[in-house]
Amino acid sequence: QKEVEQDPGPLSVPEGAIVSLNCTYSNSAFQYFMWYRQYSRKGPELLMYTYSSGNKEDGRFTAQVDKSSKYISLFIRDSQPSDSATYLCAMLTAGGGADGLTFGKGTHLIIQP
Amino acid sequence: NAGVTQTPKFQVLKTGQSMTLQCAQDMNHNSMYWYRQDPGMGLRLIYYSASEGTTDKGEVPNGYNVSRLNKREFSLRLESAAPSQTSVYFCASKLGTAATEAFFGQGTRLTVV
Repeated sequence: QKEVEQDPGPLSVPEGAIVSLNCTYSNSAFQYFMWYRQYSRKGPELLMYTYSSGNKEDGRFTAQVDKSSKYISLFIRDSQPSDSATYLCAMLTAGGGADGLTFGKGTHLIIQP
Repeated sequence: NAGVTQTPKFQVLKTGQSMTLQCAQDMNHNSMYWYRQDPGMGLRLIYYSASEGTTDKGEVPNGYNVSRLNKREFSLRLESAAPSQTSVYFCASKLGTAATEAFFGQGTRLTVV
């Protein structure tokens, strides 16, 4: 079993819908939880990060972490065609790891106009 | 501010040929990474350099070598290319091992025929 599991999709929703993207993980030492967005033929870029449990909001995006369930989510409100991309979750232990972030495989999201 | 620059952007190799993928960052980051990204497989770590002067194997190092030339540059070498190495290669850097944000290059699309 991989340390981080993420449904690869594709997930296709109509414009304006609320989107929920999720990851589960097995390593209880993870303390930092990130969401990266990757547009087609581009490198991933950091979208949001959360430390430990709780919610964090940035405009139309909300990141949620439930450490008791080892489950993280990214919600996108009023989704736009420009949100169409692959979303990768990533995690890091408190002290960091020499080998960098642990990534999920990414979910391919399609917002239909 | 260029960030992370990878060269070349595209390359076609014949089986058995060798080549070096170049990566340079201008953010004074200590840690650098090489990933490959294949459909359905997500980002897989090939090699990493936690700090200048150190390099270590990641998840899929076979068939590759790396050089941390200086703090800015981290190159990836394919000594004898195989069709299984057809992939998109990403270089990334972070301020340090505990940093949450990784900055990615634009990627190199490599085809081995």
